[in-house]
Amino acid sequence: GESVGLHLPTLSVQEGDNSIINCAYSNSASDYFIWYKQESGKGPQFIIDIRSNMDKRQGQRVTVLLNKTVKHLSLQIAATQPGDSAVYFCAENQGGKLIFGQGTELSVKP
Amino acid sequence: GAGVSQSPSNKVTEKGKDVELRCDPISGHTALYWYRQSLGQGLEFLIYFQGNSAPDKSGLPSDRFSAERTGGSVSTLTIQRTQQEDSAVYLCASSFPGPNEQFFGPGTRLTVL
Repeated sequence: GESVGLHLPTLSVQEGDNSIINCAYSNSASDYFIWYKQESGKGPQFIIDIRSNMDKRQGQRVTVLLNKTVKHLSLQIAATQPGDSAVYFCAENQGGKLIFGQGTELSVKP
Repeated sequence: GAGVSQSPSNKVTEKGKDVELRCDPISGHTALYWYRQSLGQGLEFLIYFQGNSAPDKSGLPSDRFSAERTGGSVSTLTIQRTQQEDSAVYLCASSFPGPNEQFFGPGTRLTVL
C-alpha cells in the first residue's frame, strides 16, 4: 500500500550545525507535504509545507526540498539549537487526510 | 480560545467501559480530524469531517469507535467497550478546506486498565 516513511529514526547533531531529516513517499499523486515538530507531551506543531508544483521552500532557519523524481522529501534546519530537539514527522496529503511517517528524533548536543 | 482544545487531557478507564473525548476546533475551520498516537509511534488517521459532507471514516480501527461533529464545530470521539490496546494519545486537528496546515490540539491521553 501507499506509505510515507523516514530513513533515520534518530539524529544527533552538535549545536550550531545544520540538520537534515529525510523522508520517502510512495504516492506519486500526492500534491501536498508538510513537516511537523512534536515535543514531549504536546501536539504536533507546524514547521513548513510544500506543494507538489514546487521543489524548494524556505522558512526561518528551515528549508524543505521535494524531489518528485525519486519521491523524496527533506527538512533542513540551519544552525540547529537545543530548542530544536524534538521528534519530526513528515506527512503526505491523501484525499484531505494526512498520512504520517514514523518520525525522527532530533537530539542537539550543546 | 485561539487554538484547538481537547478535553479531558488525561483519562483513565477500566477495560469494557465507554469513553468520550471532546475536541473544540479553531473557529472558522470547516475541516476536523482525529488521529491516534501510540507510545513512540507516528500519528494514525482515524476520521475526517469536512463541512456538511459525509465523514471519511476509513481510519477507524473497529466498530467500537465512532465520532460526531455537531453544528459543524465541536466533535466527540466515542470508544465503546474499551480495550487495553486502545490506550494512546488521541489528537484532534482542524483546518480550512483543501490541503492546508492542520492545527493540532494537545491531545487526550487515554489509559485503559
